[in-house]
Amino acid sequence: ILNVEQSPQSLHVQEGDSTNFTCSFPSSNFYALHWYRWETAKSPEALFVMTLNGDEKKKGRISATLNTKEGYSYLYIKGSQPEDSATYLCAFLGRGSTLGRLYFGRGTQLTVWP
Amino acid sequence: DVKVTQSSRYLVKRTGEKVFLECVQDMDHENMFWYRQDPGLGLRLIYFSYDVKMKEKGDIPEGYSVSREKKERFSLILESASTNQTSMYLCASSTSSYRESIAKNIQYFGAGTRLSVL
Repeated sequence: ILNVEQSPQSLHVQEGDSTNFTCSFPSSNFYALHWYRWETAKSPEALFVMTLNGDEKKKGRISATLNTKEGYSYLYIKGSQPEDSATYLCAFLGRGSTLGRLYFGRGTQLTVWP
Repeated sequence: DVKVTQSSRYLVKRTGEKVFLECVQDMDHENMFWYRQDPGLGLRLIYFSYDVKMKEKGDIPEGYSVSREKKERFSLILESASTNQTSMYLCASSTSSYRESIAKNIQYFGAGTRLSVL
C-alpha cells in the first residue's frame, strides 16, 4: 500500500485567517497529484490536478503548489471563509498506476469560525 | 455535468443480511470505484472496475464482492453484513480517455451511502 500523508488532521481557524496544509507522497513514479474538497453532506469534488514540478494552481482564494522531487504539495487558503469549511483530500497517481487508481491521504478537516 | 448516483443515502440492515449498494454514472466512464470512509482513516478502496465484468481488489476487499454487468452500473455486495461494515460508502467513476490527458483520472463521486449494520 502506497503511503500518502496529510497534516494536520484537523484545523480550526477564524474567518479571515489564512491557512495552509500539507500532503506528502512518494517522489518516485510520480504522475499526478489531485486535491479534492469534501463538504459535509456533499460529494468530494476535484479542486486541482497537478503534474509538473513547481506547478502552482489557483482557484479564487485557494492555491496549491507542487514539489515532486521532495514529494510534497501545499494547499493555501487566503482569507478563510465559513464556506471553506470542508475536508481537503489529496490523492497520488503513480506512473503506470493501475487503471487510474488514486491513493488518498486521510484528509485535513478545516473548520472556519465566523 | 458528470453525475454519479448512489441508490440510497441511508441504509439500516441487520447482521447477516445480504446488502446491495448500487451506483450509476452517466458519463460513459470506463473506471468505477467503491470506497469506504471511516473517521480518522480516510478513503479506503474496496474494489474497482475498468470495464464491464472486470474487477480488481482494492486494499480492503474482505467481506465484499462487486458486480459490473453494464458499463454505467457498479454494485457493491455485502454477502453477510457484519457490524464492522457500518460505514460511509462512496462510489466514484473516472475516464481512461487519453484525449483528456490531464483531466483523465479525476474521480467523480456520488453522495455516499451511510450504512448501519445492527
